[in-house]
Amino acid sequence: DQQVKQNSPSLSVQEGRISILNCDYTNSMFDYFLWYKKYPAEGPTFLISISSIKDKNEDGRFTVFLNKSAKHLSLHIVPSQPGDSAVYFCAASERGGGADGLTFGKGTHLIIQP
Amino acid sequence: NAGVTQTPKFRILKIGQSMTLQCTQDMNHNYMYWYRQDPGMGLKLIYYSVGAGITDKGEVPNGYNVSRSTTEDFPLRLELAAPSQTSVYFCASRGTPDTQYFGPGTRLTVL
Repeated sequence: DQQVKQNSPSLSVQEGRISILNCDYTNSMFDYFLWYKKYPAEGPTFLISISSIKDKNEDGRFTVFLNKSAKHLSLHIVPSQPGDSAVYFCAASERGGGADGLTFGKGTHLIIQP
Repeated sequence: NAGVTQTPKFRILKIGQSMTLQCTQDMNHNYMYWYRQDPGMGLKLIYYSVGAGITDKGEVPNGYNVSRSTTEDFPLRLELAAPSQTSVYFCASRGTPDTQYFGPGTRLTVL
């Protein structure tokens, strides 16, 4: 049973517009959420994170929103640039659970069209 | 800082062969992890370690073993390779606040 779900395998957005990537989770014990970006033949690169005590975190062009009641988070990229084309993974963890690893979604392939 | 490094980058094994995937980090992180990623899937946790001499199983540990004799190194051992272990393997270490940093991966094919 998938605890972190990214229901859109791919998303195409025009350069300069907003990209919105969505993620849902089922485990109510998750209290820390992260987004990773991955290019082909490379490891995932950390992008942005959010703790469950917040509902928004912003870093430059990237903003993550968390809706705990809906168990939903989203990543906004504004404006989208060609270099943003990559696979984006949503991940979650239980910080209070100690050393447990991250639980990942299957990823969304973002394609930025010129 | 090199971060997290992994060797080899690619490997082809025959069924039943053994190999060790190497992982080293130079950030002095206590927590280290091994994940595998199958095509079209997210990463799944194989094993993790909270410090030298301490390891524990993750979600998909069968067919693998790990050891942690130093803070820097966390090798993953495949004893009897099977086609189901064809995957891309990522090693990660965890800094603060709970962000994991990944190596470039090892692409393994078992034929």
